[in-house]
Amino acid sequence: ETGVTQSPTHLIKTRGQQVTLRCSSQSGHNTVSWYQQALGQGPQFIFQYYREEENGRGNFPPRFSGLQFPNYSSELNVNALELDDSALYLCASSLGGGIRTDTQYFGPGTRLTVL
Amino acid sequence: ILNVEQSPQSLHVQEGDSTNFTCSFPSSNFYALHWYRWETAKSPEALFVMTLNGDEKKKGRISATLNTKEGYSYLYIKGSQPEDSATYLCALGSGNTGKLIFGQGTTLQVKP
Repeated sequence: ETGVTQSPTHLIKTRGQQVTLRCSSQSGHNTVSWYQQALGQGPQFIFQYYREEENGRGNFPPRFSGLQFPNYSSELNVNALELDDSALYLCASSLGGGIRTDTQYFGPGTRLTVL
Repeated sequence: ILNVEQSPQSLHVQEGDSTNFTCSFPSSNFYALHWYRWETAKSPEALFVMTLNGDEKKKGRISATLNTKEGYSYLYIKGSQPEDSATYLCALGSGNTGKLIFGQGTTLQVKP
């Protein structure tokens, strides 16, 4: 069974640029959630995709957008990067379309640095 | 706004010591509490999902209890080993998406 993978591991961008982060879900999982972990904080929910549709969104601006593909892999896109977007971005897959008791299985994260 | 608090923020213990830390959360509208262990440069690893008041879960030397009426969960590690060094995160399962609302974590360092 393959776990959740993310790419790239690290990324450096400059303010105003756009970035795409990728996530491959655990086999058989149809739900993916994205989280942002800023320094010194716990991960914050960005949004969730279930069967290729956005299934809920946290308190993040529209320049954070996502996609989920038929194979349930996912992308997080961030436009017009700001310095505060520097963080670790985690994706997590689960089976169940957002049930509160479902275990979410996390990838190792992508470290984004915005200069 | 749901707020999840963890204490202490960090903890240093000697190998063989037993330790525990706390996760506090609002007791109203509780659905589920998740515990994760996160070692440096690795993925967060799911430890427990707890739903019922009085729940106790165990995995090897790690156990957890849940009190939904007063809004807290304890994580215990018996006979800490250096490989237990990690950040331990708790999170509420919340909303219609089951989004996780995380605490800031407790970082445990076990010295040999």
